[in-house]
Amino acid sequence: GDSVTQMEGPVTLSEEAFLTINCTYTATGYPSLFWYVQYPGEGLQLLLKATKADDKGSNKGFEATYRKETTSFHLEKGSVQVSDSAVYFCALSDRGYSTLTFGKGTMLLVSP
Amino acid sequence: DTAVSQTPKYLVTQMGNDKSIKCEQNLGHDTMYWYKQDSKKFLKIMFSYNNKELIINETVPNRFSPKSPDKAHLNLHINSLELGDSAVYFCASSQDTQADYGYTFGSGTRLTVV
Repeated sequence: GDSVTQMEGPVTLSEEAFLTINCTYTATGYPSLFWYVQYPGEGLQLLLKATKADDKGSNKGFEATYRKETTSFHLEKGSVQVSDSAVYFCALSDRGYSTLTFGKGTMLLVSP
Repeated sequence: DTAVSQTPKYLVTQMGNDKSIKCEQNLGHDTMYWYKQDSKKFLKIMFSYNNKELIINETVPNRFSPKSPDKAHLNLHINSLELGDSAVYFCASSQDTQADYGYTFGSGTRLTVV
């Protein structure tokens, strides 16, 4: 079945550091890929998505590129802020199947 | 104007009780979901409804019963609550049965069974 593997956290960074959170996936078809963010005490918010190979999703300074050859969708940001502290979830949606499969989440902690 | 709203936000109850969580979306979406998030933040699909019809029912104890009176509402009723039911329950909706556009989530209901 489909699965998503994310790097374990927490990831601890200083403000303005470069961020990478790794995500790899297994899917039978050609999935759409997503990153969601969950701030403390809140629900998940869609951060960015990509629907086909080589697409780059971007939002709020975050980017991720759909790499079919490596089955990866790593999240990057050039300069993190304290307000980026949250849990980040990688997810996929396989074609014709309505549910999202989530990774286990990676907590990011950014200190001033 | 909240897109997906859940009530209550917090629910503390004793073992053996029956409780309900309500969810409403005003996005005009056709499909709604219930997810359970455990203490380690892992998210697992429980149910999915499309236009009031159940389309996905994962391995969930039959103490959990979803009800969709119309496509804008999906409620979750839990009978005979157990300690292991303690978790955060998220409602979500999507534009159609394929999740290619992603979901819109509610803010969650934190259920604590004591």
